[in-house]
Amino acid sequence: NAGVTQTPKFQVLKTGQSMTLQCAQDMNHNSMYWYRQDPGMGLRLIYYSASEGTTDKGEVPNGYNVSRLNKREFSLRLESAAPSQTSVYFCASRAYRNGGYTFGSGTRLTVV
Amino acid sequence: GQQLNQSPQSMFIQEGEDVSMNCTSSSIFNTWLWYKQDPGEGPVLLIALYKAGELTSNGRLTAQFGTTRKDSFLNISASIPSDVGIYFCAGENNAGNMLTFGGGTRLMVKP
Repeated sequence: NAGVTQTPKFQVLKTGQSMTLQCAQDMNHNSMYWYRQDPGMGLRLIYYSASEGTTDKGEVPNGYNVSRLNKREFSLRLESAAPSQTSVYFCASRAYRNGGYTFGSGTRLTVV
Repeated sequence: GQQLNQSPQSMFIQEGEDVSMNCTSSSIFNTWLWYKQDPGEGPVLLIALYKAGELTSNGRLTAQFGTTRKDSFLNISASIPSDVGIYFCAGENNAGNMLTFGGGTRLMVKP
């Protein structure tokens, strides 16, 4: 099993460009999450999807949109990238409440 | 939002030594999780704690859920070079829909 797969692994954007970060899990998990990690800091929740068909804002949702395409896939979109969005983005999933979170290996995004 | 204070921020120890790190919160959590992150990778779950006072071990790792539900600690015994990495605590809120992370403890082990 691949677990949680994120694409791309690296991306450089110019300010104002848009892009979508992709995430897919093959563990039949119900809930999926997007986090960002800035240097020297812990992860902060951007958006989450408790189940297929639902999405909710996390701690730092401004400048992002998400789509829970189906049970497997949860994408994160930056409509107009800003330098403040330079970060490492992690997708995570879990099967049920109180279950452990499984993280992908991250997408390193640089906005210049 | 909720704040998780994790300490120490970094540790440089000799192989074979024991390590202790902890997290404190201004709010109560229902679940405490401890993760390890290697360079270029996502966090990997080490130990999950679900009840106040719970003490759980995973090999050389031991973690406890504080009785006040506002703190947790992680101990690593007899450290080895592959323990190098960043360790994060994380607390889950009552609704079970949000994980708050500490700032991490960077562990370096000298052979």
